[in-house]
Amino acid sequence: AQKVTQAQTEISVVEKEDVTLDCVYETRDTTYYLFWYKQPPSGELVFLIRRNSFDEQNEISGRYSWNFQKSTSSFNFTITASQVVDSAVYFCALSENSGNTPLVFGKGTRLSVIA
Amino acid sequence: EPEVTQTPSHQVTQMGQEVILRCVPISNHLYFYWYRQILGQKVEFLVSFYNNEISEKSEIFDDQFSVERPDGSNFTLKIRSTKLEDSAMYFCASRMDRLNTEAFFGQGTRLTVV
Repeated sequence: AQKVTQAQTEISVVEKEDVTLDCVYETRDTTYYLFWYKQPPSGELVFLIRRNSFDEQNEISGRYSWNFQKSTSSFNFTITASQVVDSAVYFCALSENSGNTPLVFGKGTRLSVIA
Repeated sequence: EPEVTQTPSHQVTQMGQEVILRCVPISNHLYFYWYRQILGQKVEFLVSFYNNEISEKSEIFDDQFSVERPDGSNFTLKIRSTKLEDSAMYFCASRMDRLNTEAFFGQGTRLTVV
């Protein structure tokens, strides 16, 4: 069975600090997809990244970076030089069976960036 | 940029009433989903829909729930007799195909059952 664990319920940082959000997943599949979504206070779910299980290359997009490590079943998300606009709930999600199955979400991490 | 649209953004209903939540998926997408998020909790899968039929559903999706695509563009979620515990944000999502594509989510409908 698939499972996503986000152990950090809430994180608070001061603006310009770097912050890493942890995500650990469980799956028996060899082919799966991992995702990160952002949920700002307005409530919508904003797609950030998709990564398939065969691509362990780390990715950087502006201030965002992702570290995928199959050996530890982790897909961590780092925000560099955080800004107040980064304040949101961040969800990690997993889709098994080559991405055929619906997304299973973690419980989310609420990030508060204080000016 | 194409987007998934949900209406209404907020619905208040009395316990026992029927509600219909509406979604317009992205036009060339073939797979449709409903998810639910109880306030402050994680996003939970309800149902997936493909080729005019349910392809998968969760334990949450009991006989009180139904989905349909009545006219080839709208995708609706009906709750027959709402309960207080149905109060949640309901998200519709669509994806182009099953492989190698992400699901695009609508902005959600906040359902409040009183």
